[in-house]
Amino acid sequence: NAGVTQTPKFQVLKTGQSMTLQCAQDMNHEYMSWYRQDPGMGLRLIHYSVGAGITDQGEVPNGYNVSRSTTEDFPLRLLSAAPSQTSVYFCASSPDRDYEQYFGPGTRLTVT
Amino acid sequence: EDKVVQSPLSLVVHEGDTVTLNCSYEVTNFRSLLWYKQEKKAPTFLFMLTSSGIEKKSGRLSSILDKKELFSILNITATQTGDSAVYLCAVGHGNKLVFGAGTILRVKS
Repeated sequence: NAGVTQTPKFQVLKTGQSMTLQCAQDMNHEYMSWYRQDPGMGLRLIHYSVGAGITDQGEVPNGYNVSRSTTEDFPLRLLSAAPSQTSVYFCASSPDRDYEQYFGPGTRLTVT
Repeated sequence: EDKVVQSPLSLVVHEGDTVTLNCSYEVTNFRSLLWYKQEKKAPTFLFMLTSSGIEKKSGRLSSILDKKELFSILNITATQTGDSAVYLCAVGHGNKLVFGAGTILRVKS
């Protein structure tokens, strides 16, 4: 099992560019989520999904889109990158909401 | 507004000391409280607590939840330099997980 994988590991974008952060898991988990981590602020939930075809917003969804067409994949799209989106992004998955979440290795994004 | 507050924000101890980390919360539809350890990479799971008063233990780490007073503590006994990390508390409510800002622990040899 590879667990939760994220690509890329690092990315630099210019303001206004768009991109997709990839997240995949091979554990057949129903629940997947995206977080951003900024210094001194812990992890904040961006979007989450309770199963294929179902997504919902977290605490800080503005500027991000998600879709869940398969159980395995949960990509996060930045529509028009802004410097405020400079952060470390973590994807996580769990069998359902009542289990621990397994985290991917993270993507460090810098927007200039 | 849902809130998870951890204290202290940071602390420095010497090897062999015992530390207690605190987590208080105010959320609707509480489901569970989780503790994670983060060492410069992704958080790794320590404990999940759902019932009051039942201590969970793993080696030198232990944790307990008080659902009446809305808090949890994480204890680490006989600390080692390898315990240096950020400790994150998270509360599950509804379909979401809300994290506190974390406690930075540094253990000096």
